[in-house]
Amino acid sequence: DIQMTQSPSSLSASVGDRVTITCQASQDISNYLNWYQQKPGKAPKLLIYDASNLETGVPSRFSGSGSGTDFTFTISSLQPEDIATYYCQQYDNLPSYTFGQGTKLEIK
Amino acid sequence: QVQLQESGPGLVKPSQTLSLTCTVSGGSISSGGYYWSWIRQHPGKGLEWIGYIYYSGSTYYNPSLKSRVTISVDTSKNQFSLKLSSVTAADTAVYYCARFFTGGGSCFDYWGQGTLVTVSS
Repeated sequence: DIQMTQSPSSLSASVGDRVTITCQASQDISNYLNWYQQKPGKAPKLLIYDASNLETGVPSRFSGSGSGTDFTFTISSLQPEDIATYYCQQYDNLPSYTFGQGTKLEIK
Repeated sequence: QVQLQESGPGLVKPSQTLSLTCTVSGGSISSGGYYWSWIRQHPGKGLEWIGYIYYSGSTYYNPSLKSRVTISVDTSKNQFSLKLSSVTAADTAVYYCARFFTGGGSCFDYWGQGTLVTVSS
């Protein structure tokens, strides 16, 4: 099974800060990686698909990059409404897919 | 707009079977190209994929839960269902149904709101 290691597990930043979260796969997954945002009490929401493609309607301050085993998710200027937990998810070895452990983002 | 809605008991006794149904609206479950999935989230924890079903009835389950999970589909009702047997307190979680798009840009594109299932006597 492919393991996804996401870091950090939690992060505190100020409004306007640049925020970066990383996700590392245990083997090469090409660009088969998605990023989701989950706000408290809500279902996850897709932000980035195929490592770097912004989902329609998602603000451009969100971005993703990477391929192979190392991936990065970035918020260029943190906004108060971005407080959430963020998850990466790989789908290279369908029919199985796995999520990272999540990164809880808080405002400092 | 596709919508998914989970339904089922919020309280299940230990050793019994947890049963949930996901009703899909705004789109046909018989459309190819999607895996109809169940995902759960233990309180304060991350996301755990349980399994999925294709409209044809083909299923795939998380190996860690495979011995206890059954997912079925009723295309006439546009629903799919989850059964998890021999539950314990460790199965207390929010259960989500979700659609996994298998085309270019594969992803979980639609989710239900989630339903909390508590296992307790």
